[in-house]
Amino acid sequence: AQSVAQPEDQVNVAEGNPLTVKCTYSVSGNPYLFWYVQYPNRGLQFLLKYITGDNLVKGSYGFEAEFNKSQTSFHLKKPSALVSDSALYFCAVRDKGGNNRLAFGKGNQVVVIP
Amino acid sequence: GAGVSQSPRYKVAKRGQDVALRCDPISGHVSLFWYQQALGQGPEFLTYFQNEAQLDKSGLPSDRFFAERPEGSVSTLKIQRTQQEDSAVYLCASSLGSGTANSPLHFGNGTRLTVT
Repeated sequence: AQSVAQPEDQVNVAEGNPLTVKCTYSVSGNPYLFWYVQYPNRGLQFLLKYITGDNLVKGSYGFEAEFNKSQTSFHLKKPSALVSDSALYFCAVRDKGGNNRLAFGKGNQVVVIP
Repeated sequence: GAGVSQSPRYKVAKRGQDVALRCDPISGHVSLFWYQQALGQGPEFLTYFQNEAQLDKSGLPSDRFFAERPEGSVSTLKIQRTQQEDSAVYLCASSLGSGTANSPLHFGNGTRLTVT
């Protein structure tokens, strides 16, 4: 079964500094990888995905993520954080050869300090 | 355009009551998912529909949980004889097409269920 680990509970970063949110995954086959963001009392919003091809994928709001097969990681990055980026971030994985189930990590709270 | 709509937004139920949670997916979306999100946790898969067919219900935690999508659009998640451990946010998501493995899910805002 597929699974995701997001090792940090909370990430604090000063506004304007680079932001990194870590994610590692486990699947039996090849992965489809996703990042979602959740604001208070809202559903999850899609940010970006890795399907195949270039290991660096770019998504919404200036976010990007790098797929690293050898380290089974898919870290989310943003070069310059904004206060409005403060939210809960979830990494998720599907097994390409498996079912349609999307497995989520426990989430990381990002706090951008003005 | 309209996104995924869930109702009610909040539901308080006394232990032992039955509840029904509604999901209106994006029009034309073939696939529909239900997830349960406990406080401070990531969403956990409950069940998956492709049109009206429930193809995977392996995540439903007990036989008190039942989901249906009779006409392949609106879906209802029913919980019978609610227990306190059922308290959570129930998220519905839809995606375009039946081959959904690489398609992002579009989530509703969820129904927050509190069982007292």
